[in-house]
Amino acid sequence: QSVLTQPPSASGTPGQRVTISCSGSRSNTGSNTANWYQQLPGTAPKLLIYDNNQRPSGVPDRFSGSKSGTSASLAISGLQSEDEADYYCASWDGSLNGWVFGGGTKLTVL
Amino acid sequence: QVQLQQSGPGLVKPSQTLSLTCAISGDSVSSNSAAWNWIRQSPSRGLEWLGRTYYRSKWYNEYAASVKSRITINPDTSKNQFSLQLNSVTPEDTAVYYCARTKGFLDLWGRGTPVTVSS
Repeated sequence: QSVLTQPPSASGTPGQRVTISCSGSRSNTGSNTANWYQQLPGTAPKLLIYDNNQRPSGVPDRFSGSKSGTSASLAISGLQSEDEADYYCASWDGSLNGWVFGGGTKLTVL
Repeated sequence: QVQLQQSGPGLVKPSQTLSLTCAISGDSVSSNSAAWNWIRQSPSRGLEWLGRTYYRSKWYNEYAASVKSRITINPDTSKNQFSLQLNSVTPEDTAVYYCARTKGFLDLWGRGTPVTVSS
């Protein structure tokens, strides 16, 4: 059971906007920033969003992040077939003194 | 360009020690602004942070409670790398193991090493 809670699946058609949620607690997303990762099959997770809403260079602005209270969200607009992947949220947990992750959301582009 | 290159065996026998190394290029294991982590991923446990080592005038190691009694993460400044040792492994330790850097957040990951624990 993962510390952060994500829906196991999400889907959308090309061009649509989809949102993935990540629910935590006071000790992780409630007091620390949320980060998002994209994982394509057979590859390592790739940083998509850091510090709740910042994009590393090279990440398209179709990807955006937000956080409110103990919950964070990842939004993908203008959905493309290459966005089909697993998405994970992560945050530092001050009580566990370690990084914690969501269980991952498998995004399907219909 | 910073890269993390992982190495180590992909098959370990039960009760033995899992040993992996992560070689760093483009950054320093002794950096005062980075930490060097090991993370694993399995279908049953998802992504699981195992521990980290970092240098802030002296070396620090921090480990996840789930593996604290069995894990050692060591920096090797002469080779600019860090290692993972996980003792007394069982089939439940079968996973893809990643090394990763943090600079405020987990920003760079190695390619992963699949490790199977089996006799």
